[in-house]
Amino acid sequence: AQSVAQPEDQVNVAEGNPLTVKCTYSVSGNPYLFWYVQYPNRGLQFLLKYITGDNLVKGSYGFEAEFNKSQTSFHLKKPSALVSDSALYFCAVSSPTDSWGKLQFGAGTQVVVTP
Amino acid sequence: DTGVSQDPRHKITKRGQNVTFRCDPISEHNRLYWYRQTLGQGPEFLTYFQNEAQLEKSRLLSDRFSAERPKGSFSTLEIQRTEQGDSAMYLCASSLSLGRDYGYTFGSGTRLTVV
Repeated sequence: AQSVAQPEDQVNVAEGNPLTVKCTYSVSGNPYLFWYVQYPNRGLQFLLKYITGDNLVKGSYGFEAEFNKSQTSFHLKKPSALVSDSALYFCAVSSPTDSWGKLQFGAGTQVVVTP
Repeated sequence: DTGVSQDPRHKITKRGQNVTFRCDPISEHNRLYWYRQTLGQGPEFLTYFQNEAQLEKSRLLSDRFSAERPKGSFSTLEIQRTEQGDSAMYLCASSLSLGRDYGYTFGSGTRLTVV
């Protein structure tokens, strides 16, 4: 069975400071890992994914994430947060050889960036 | 192709009425997923199609829910005899099968309010 944990309900950061949103996962087989962002009353916007290759993945809007197999983690990072980064962030895991490749989402982390 | 389209964006219905939502995936995507998201939670898997075949249904999908994907193109999700607990955002996503381009594209969702 697949599972994702986002241990923080909310992350508060001042604009210009580094932002980290934590994610750990459990999956049988090779994990495919994703980060999505959601603004109020909107669908999910794709930020980045890890399928294979380099453990450091760069994505949209200056975000990056590092796949750590030994710690089963895929933390999302941004070196300098913007007020416009305030949103709900979801980590998700999939294993294409298991469960038809469907995504299992974490509960989400609300990011609040203050000016 | 401009992405995954969902219609309607919003639906308000009285308890006991039937509702139907439509999802138009990216044309070359053979996989289509339906998810449900309640306020402040991560999306939960409902059902999955590969081409026109419905291959998995979540236990969340009661007998009042039915989904179709005729001819492997658009999909519909129908809820019969709606209940207040059905109020949620219903998200559709499509994807290709395996490969480095593997990923999911989500629609903007249909927000259902049952009064």
